[in-house]
Amino acid sequence: GNSVTQMEGPVTLSEEAFLTINCTYTATGYPSLFWYVQYPGEGLQLLLKATKADDKGSNKGFEATYRKETTSFHLEKGSVQVSDSAVYFCALTQHMEYGNKLVFGAGTILRVKS
Amino acid sequence: NAGVTQTPKFQVLKTGQSMTLQCAQDMNHNSMYWYRQDPGMGLRLIYYSASEGTTDKGEVPNGYNVSRLNKREFSLRLESAAPSQTSVYFCASSVGHSSNYGYTFGSGTRLTVV
Repeated sequence: GNSVTQMEGPVTLSEEAFLTINCTYTATGYPSLFWYVQYPGEGLQLLLKATKADDKGSNKGFEATYRKETTSFHLEKGSVQVSDSAVYFCALTQHMEYGNKLVFGAGTILRVKS
Repeated sequence: NAGVTQTPKFQVLKTGQSMTLQCAQDMNHNSMYWYRQDPGMGLRLIYYSASEGTTDKGEVPNGYNVSRLNKREFSLRLESAAPSQTSVYFCASSVGHSSNYGYTFGSGTRLTVV
């Protein structure tokens, strides 16, 4: 089945630093790709998505580009803030007998220090 | 907008006890899902309901049952709780089961089985 591999964390950065969280995937066909963010004590929130190769998803200063040739969907932000501290999950869709499901990576903890 | 509402938020059970986790969404979504989140493992799908009246197993269904009571509500039942079911449980919903749709998550139920 489809799978997602994320860089291990935690990632610790100073405020205004550049962020990259690596995500690579294994999939049959052409899945949609997603980044979700989870703040402490909360559920996951959709951050951005891309549904086909070379698409760029963006939201709140975060960006990720669907790279079919390298099977990657790395998350980037030019200048992180303390409020970006959270767990970030990369995910892709996998077809099931009835519908699709999201397959998640293990998550990467981001800590931003002021 | 309530979105996806889960109850309870916290629960402690003794081994062998039973309980039902409740989930309701007010977005008129067709598909609903139950995931469990464990450290280092991301989220794993327990059961899903592609549409009202249907339910199907995900990747870790053993020890659980579900009921899609109506379009809004999707409950998860543990018939005889085991310590291995200690986890954080998330309910999610989506407009449909197309691969392009993201999910809306509830805030989770933290379950401890002693």
